[in-house]
Amino acid sequence: GQQVMQIPQYQHVQEGEDFTTYCNSSTTLSNIQWYKQRPGGHPVFLIQLVKSGEVKKQKRLTFQFGEAKKNSSLHITATQTTDVGTYFCAGPARQLTFGSGTQLTVLP
Amino acid sequence: KAGVTQTPRYLIKTRGQQVTLSCSPISGHRSVSWYQQTPGQGLQFLFEYFSETQRNKGNFPGRFSGRQFSNSRSEMNVSTLELGDSALYLCASSFQHATNEKLFFGSGTQLSVL
Repeated sequence: GQQVMQIPQYQHVQEGEDFTTYCNSSTTLSNIQWYKQRPGGHPVFLIQLVKSGEVKKQKRLTFQFGEAKKNSSLHITATQTTDVGTYFCAGPARQLTFGSGTQLTVLP
Repeated sequence: KAGVTQTPRYLIKTRGQQVTLSCSPISGHRSVSWYQQTPGQGLQFLFEYFSETQRNKGNFPGRFSGRQFSNSRSEMNVSTLELGDSALYLCASSFQHATNEKLFFGSGTQLSVL
């Protein structure tokens, strides 16, 4: 079955540093979604990527979809304490397979 | 527009008992999915219901079951609870769970099995 791997599992950064999480699928994805879960909260949809090589930006967040549509990345520029949480990528399988997530800690 | 509502928020049970969790989707959403979240395993798909029919099921034992009612509200049941069932159970709703649809998650039910 489809597997979605995400690295790193944990990332600690100093406030103001950049952060990147990577997502790799064992199969080609028709699209990929990203979610953020704050500590004690529930996953909240961030964005969806559909096209090969697609790049989308949301303020300090940049999302990329690989040319082969098997990998994706989320890059945060100049992290802030509000960025703390776990970031998940999710494949489009009928049962929306989630990556294991990257837990981001931002040190003030 | 109200979000996805899950009840109860917290639950403590003992081994061998059974438990029923409830999820009310966003009005107009007909698909409800259930996920188990544990620190070590991330988000694991349990099952998805659409128009009262289970369309997809994850790799969980038969002790985990669910159903959906005509108003799209859904329940999941876990029988003969085991310690390993302790987790946050999340439900998510969407219009029809198409592959390009985003999911709206509830706040979850935190289940502790003692």
